[in-house]
Amino acid sequence: EAGVAQSPRYKIIEKRQSVAFWCNPISGHATLYWYQQILGQGPKLLIQFQNNGVVDDSQLPKDRFSAERLKGVDSTLKIQPAKLEDSAVYLCASSPDPDTQYFGPGTRLTVL
Amino acid sequence: AQKVTQAQTEISVVEKEDVTLDCVYETRDTTYYLFWYKQPPSGELVFLIRRNSFDEQNEISGRYSWNFQKSTSSFNFTITASQVVDSSVYFCALIEARDTGNQFYFGTGTSLTVIP
Repeated sequence: EAGVAQSPRYKIIEKRQSVAFWCNPISGHATLYWYQQILGQGPKLLIQFQNNGVVDDSQLPKDRFSAERLKGVDSTLKIQPAKLEDSAVYLCASSPDPDTQYFGPGTRLTVL
Repeated sequence: AQKVTQAQTEISVVEKEDVTLDCVYETRDTTYYLFWYKQPPSGELVFLIRRNSFDEQNEISGRYSWNFQKSTSSFNFTITASQVVDSSVYFCALIEARDTGNQFYFGTGTSLTVIP
């Protein structure tokens, strides 16, 4: 079974630029999550989708972050404009049930 | 307040020693789930174990064992006879079940180094 795919694996941008990350969950997993993991910290949930609907986006900085999951499969997370403090690893996870998550390899973002 | 506390930031042990990683959680819920994940340098979080709040049985899987104690709100992870390949960052996580969507909380992680 293929795992959660994410791209790109690494991205370097300058502040105020825009960036987008892509996630392809495990086939059949209805729930998809985006996490932000700052160096030295644990992952922090940004947004949770159930199929193509948002379940929880209370931790998403909506002035600059947006996410969508069209057709209930792939998802994209966008940052516009990026700030220095957005430098982090962005992890995508999917799950077949509410209690288990399978994580992708993450996208490491560096904002200069 | 931290929902999940991993007080040990870094631990170093010599190969073949036993090591315990501590995890203390805070919740008022009666239904919740606890997890341990391993995060190697590649960055992917690898699932190790899930335990629900109604199952306090300790679990052993090879060299790994977990001690869940609701009385002390702890879910500790022990590696027996550690190996160099166990070197990684380990995260403890709590999921609080909600009708509106589960709430997820991760600890800050413990970096384990096993010295050959």
